[in-house]
Amino acid sequence: DVKVTQSSRYLVKRTGEKVFLECVQDMDHENMFWYRQDPGLGLRLIYFSYDVKMKEKGDIPEGYSVSREKKERFSLILESASTNQTSMYLCASSLSPSEANVLTFGAGSRLTVL
Amino acid sequence: KQEVTQIPAALSVPEGENLVLNCSFTDSAIYNLQWFRQDPGKGLTSLLLIQSSQREQTSGRLNASLDKSSGRSTLYIAASQPGDSATYLCALNSIQGGSEKLVFGKGTKLTVNP
Repeated sequence: DVKVTQSSRYLVKRTGEKVFLECVQDMDHENMFWYRQDPGLGLRLIYFSYDVKMKEKGDIPEGYSVSREKKERFSLILESASTNQTSMYLCASSLSPSEANVLTFGAGSRLTVL
Repeated sequence: KQEVTQIPAALSVPEGENLVLNCSFTDSAIYNLQWFRQDPGKGLTSLLLIQSSQREQTSGRLNASLDKSSGRSTLYIAASQPGDSATYLCALNSIQGGSEKLVFGKGTKLTVNP
């Protein structure tokens, strides 16, 4: 019954590597989000998308980019990974903005940059 | 700017107790408020969503309330069980700078002792 799938649960990369984090949802949701979660800092929004080929910066977009070529897939890209990007990355999706807008999360991708 | 605070940061109770988790926010112009559960190393699971026009929602042993005038929400857990041990986060969907935005609290880590 998985609805938001993050393809990689655990990744270990080296500084300077290009990293792709993939997220796929099967609920035909318009909105998709990428967050990172760090101890003491909570969840912080990196990027979001309200439609195919559309993207908006969140609170901490520096060092990241995203791609949404298809409605069901939202990719987070680290062009040149750095140690301060070691974190838990969470993808989420939801229907169009409304009061009944329930956010559904994936299981998370824990990235370690050495 | 919407700010969301969850106090306490951690809570430990014996099995069987009824307990209340608190969430306070600074801006009452919200779409909805959502409570999530997060198990260690996992993604977030939605527990309850309260729309702006609602006062409370119930699901099993969980009851969430919303008081916009005082900027508060509570999550009540009846007859707590060790399986309820997790981190509980609240998130507010509100308007900031003309755009819809979800703001998370940092969570309350709950431990229910057998």
